[in-house]
Amino acid sequence: AQSVTQLGSHVSVSEGALVLLRCNYSSSVPPYLFWYVQYPNQGLQLLLKYTSAATLVKGINGFEAEFKKSETSFHLTKPSAHMSDAAEYFCAVSNNGNEKLTFGTGTRLTIIP
Amino acid sequence: GAVVSQHPSWVICKSGTSVKIECRSLDFQATTMFWYRQFPKQSLMLMATSNEGSKATYEQGVEKDKFLINHASLTLSTLTVTSAHPEDSSFYICSARTDPNTEAFFGQGTRLTVV
Repeated sequence: AQSVTQLGSHVSVSEGALVLLRCNYSSSVPPYLFWYVQYPNQGLQLLLKYTSAATLVKGINGFEAEFKKSETSFHLTKPSAHMSDAAEYFCAVSNNGNEKLTFGTGTRLTIIP
Repeated sequence: GAVVSQHPSWVICKSGTSVKIECRSLDFQATTMFWYRQFPKQSLMLMATSNEGSKATYEQGVEKDKFLINHASLTLSTLTVTSAHPEDSSFYICSARTDPNTEAFFGQGTRLTVV
């Protein structure tokens, strides 16, 4: 069985500030981990994924995430928030890279001008 | 990137009626499509996996006779919610991929409201 917990359903940061969205996972096998972003009225877009290669994964739009096995975490960060980053972010886990995904409840990111 | 389109984006229907939601892969052939449901403030939950030309595989607890899935072509899968009830009101999202070694791309979702 696998699960994902996203701490904080809403996160607000000022423009230019660090973005940190938290994700902790539970998996009985080495996990594949994903971050997706969803803009209003659009589908989910893959930001980045971890597939047991490098623990620090770089994605699109300046986002990156670090896989920490000891902490069972895969937090998403971006050094400097931009207004266009306002969206809903979902963390997901799979026990196979492209099989069914188990999603977290999502975190809505708001950027304060 | 590849585009997956869902139609309609939102729908309101009366209790007891059926609603069909379409999921189309616009620029690639989708061998497999996934259907998810998301209740307010909850996770996306996988409902079923469908492979073109074969019966869908439903997740535990999902009624196959209520949520009919058809994947008759490599570019189209449909989800029909039969005899809809207010508790079926939710956000339904599909994703599609070419093969197990490729990324699955998501549609924009369909918000169903049953009144």
